[in-house]
Amino acid sequence: EAGVTQFPSHSVIEKGQTVTLRCDPISGHDNLYWYRRVMGKEIKFLLHFVKESKQDESGMPNNRFLAERTGGTYSTLKVQPAELEDSGVYFCASSQEWNTEAFFGQGTRLTVV
Amino acid sequence: AQSVTQPDIHITVSEGASLELRCNYSYGATPYLFWYVQSPGQGLQLLLKYFSGDTLVQGIKGFEAEFKRSQSSFNLRKPSVHWSDAAEYFCAVGGMGGSQGNLIFGKGTKLSVKP
Repeated sequence: EAGVTQFPSHSVIEKGQTVTLRCDPISGHDNLYWYRRVMGKEIKFLLHFVKESKQDESGMPNNRFLAERTGGTYSTLKVQPAELEDSGVYFCASSQEWNTEAFFGQGTRLTVV
Repeated sequence: AQSVTQPDIHITVSEGASLELRCNYSYGATPYLFWYVQSPGQGLQLLLKYFSGDTLVQGIKGFEAEFKRSQSSFNLRKPSVHWSDAAEYFCAVGGMGGSQGNLIFGKGTKLSVKP
């Protein structure tokens, strides 16, 4: 069974550009989470989808970040326009239920120059 | 506010030596506690978790952790480290109502293993 898959694994963009990160959860997992780790800091929760609905987006840093999960399958996280401080590793995780183990993807390393 | 502290940023141990990684948490209620590991190029993998019951928890890869409420700690241990254990280790607290996906992580401890 495929795990959580994230694309791309690395992305280097210039400040002001737009980047879209994608997460494919484990098939059948209704719950999908986005996290971010800025260099040297904690891994921080961004938001939680249940199917296509945003259950909790309290960790989204600002309105330059837009997460979607159309159809309740894969999810995208768009950063527009990107700023230098957006650099970091973005992790996605999924779980079957809200109270079952969450499985993490390998992350997307985003560098904004 | 809930938080997790991992006081050691980087630890180096010799292969075969014992290991203890420290984790302290701040949480208003009974916490749900987790340890994850991230090997190079890999995602986060759950090593073990504590919800209730026996305070000594066994996990995968020979790891164990002990929950000590009086010390607000959940330290990770392994009696004999293997070179393949070199990775970054994250302690996390979660479980707002039992959620295992909305977690608060520590900054991580990077483990290096000397031959």
